[in-house]
Amino acid sequence: SAVISQKPSRDICQRGTSLTIQCQVDSQVTMMFWYRQQPGQSLTLIATANQGSEATYESGFVIDKFPISRPNLTFSTLTVSNMSPEDSSIYLCSVGQGKNIQYFGAGTRLSVL
Amino acid sequence: GQQLNQSPQSMFIQEGEDVSMNCTSSSIFNTWLWYKQDPGEGPVLLIALYKAGELTSNGRLTAQFGITRKDSFLNISASIPSDVGIYFCAGYALGGSQGNLIFGKGTKLSVKP
Repeated sequence: SAVISQKPSRDICQRGTSLTIQCQVDSQVTMMFWYRQQPGQSLTLIATANQGSEATYESGFVIDKFPISRPNLTFSTLTVSNMSPEDSSIYLCSVGQGKNIQYFGAGTRLSVL
Repeated sequence: GQQLNQSPQSMFIQEGEDVSMNCTSSSIFNTWLWYKQDPGEGPVLLIALYKAGELTSNGRLTAQFGITRKDSFLNISASIPSDVGIYFCAGYALGGSQGNLIFGKGTKLSVKP
């Protein structure tokens, strides 16, 4: 399976600021995804990061709040914009490989004060 | 939207005990995945299932794709302390795209005091 590196692993941010999370994969992958995991909860898909085109967002998530870049087949970024305490969560990137399988990075633990 | 019912929500184990958890859906799935998430980490894939009735093992772990295609279970035999963590079922509903991976709410495994 692909090796997925996420940076930063954790951060503490002030409300109103923005944080960009990076996801680097050690091989080219077609499908990359961004998830949010709120404290003690399951995973919720934010968007599919499409290489060379705009990301596809799930209901309840918008580009202005969570802009995503996907400049090539091994890298993507997710920005959490104008943060509030409600944005405190774990943000995870994943890649699709093999038959219907997604592999996950270790996540970015974000706390907003 | 589509939801998965995962149970139990939490359980306490003593070393050596067998553990069983399950997941049910309201619609037919064509893939079931079981993940484990340790504190500070992303979910790690344990077992993937693709056919009704399929029974697959990974060491002390065994998972089955239900005959009705609407459920799956995961068994852990002879549990050890490192089995502690959160187990998630996930799957794709029939006709779903690779981005549409649906997660259960998780089963938290803890050690009995």
